[in-house]
Amino acid sequence: GENVEQHPSTLSVQEGDSAVIKCTYSDSASNYFPWYKQELGKRPQLIIDIRSNVGEKKDQRIAVTLNKTAKHFSLHITETQPEDSAVYFCAALGEADRGSTLGRLYFGRGTQLTVWP
Amino acid sequence: EAQVTQNPRYLITVTGKKLTVTCSQNMNHEYMSWYRQDPGLGLRQIYYSMNVEVTDKGDVPEGYKVSRKEKRNFPLILESPSPNQTSLYFCASSLRSGVSSYNEQFFGPGTRLTVL
Repeated sequence: GENVEQHPSTLSVQEGDSAVIKCTYSDSASNYFPWYKQELGKRPQLIIDIRSNVGEKKDQRIAVTLNKTAKHFSLHITETQPEDSAVYFCAALGEADRGSTLGRLYFGRGTQLTVWP
Repeated sequence: EAQVTQNPRYLITVTGKKLTVTCSQNMNHEYMSWYRQDPGLGLRQIYYSMNVEVTDKGDVPEGYKVSRKEKRNFPLILESPSPNQTSLYFCASSLRSGVSSYNEQFFGPGTRLTVL
């Protein structure tokens, strides 16, 4: 099945700086890559996603880039704010109808982002 | 309100005492899944279900059972809990699971389980 690696595991930045979290995946057939944010004591929530037919997607201060050739994708947060502090998870969707990977989301291990005021 | 609910939210139990964590969604979602979250290990999938009466193992199914008799419910059963099953558990659902029609996966509020 799919294997998703996420780096770094912890990231500390000053308010206003940018933060970048990187993920790699193993299954070249994966076509959907969501990012989830989990605030302390809360459930994970989708913040942005990208499909393989595009290389970049932006939503205000967050953006995701995808390099299918290299099998990696990244989350970029600009002008960070203290409320951006959370654990961020990347994920890759196993291609449907490929045996045991059928439509499954495979998660990275998470990045604890801390934004200092 | 569209949501995924789990019960109980917190549970402390003892080794070997069977327990069930319920999960319910009111969004008519086909796909449901159980994850456990442990520090440094991220979200690991236990079981998932593509639709009613269709379930399959995730990455860490040992010691767990599930059933999907109705579309809205996907209970997680621990027949004989052990301390290594102490964890934070999340149920999640999405409309469908196919790549071409994939929809956002919504998570429940989580169940914190402690097995003594």
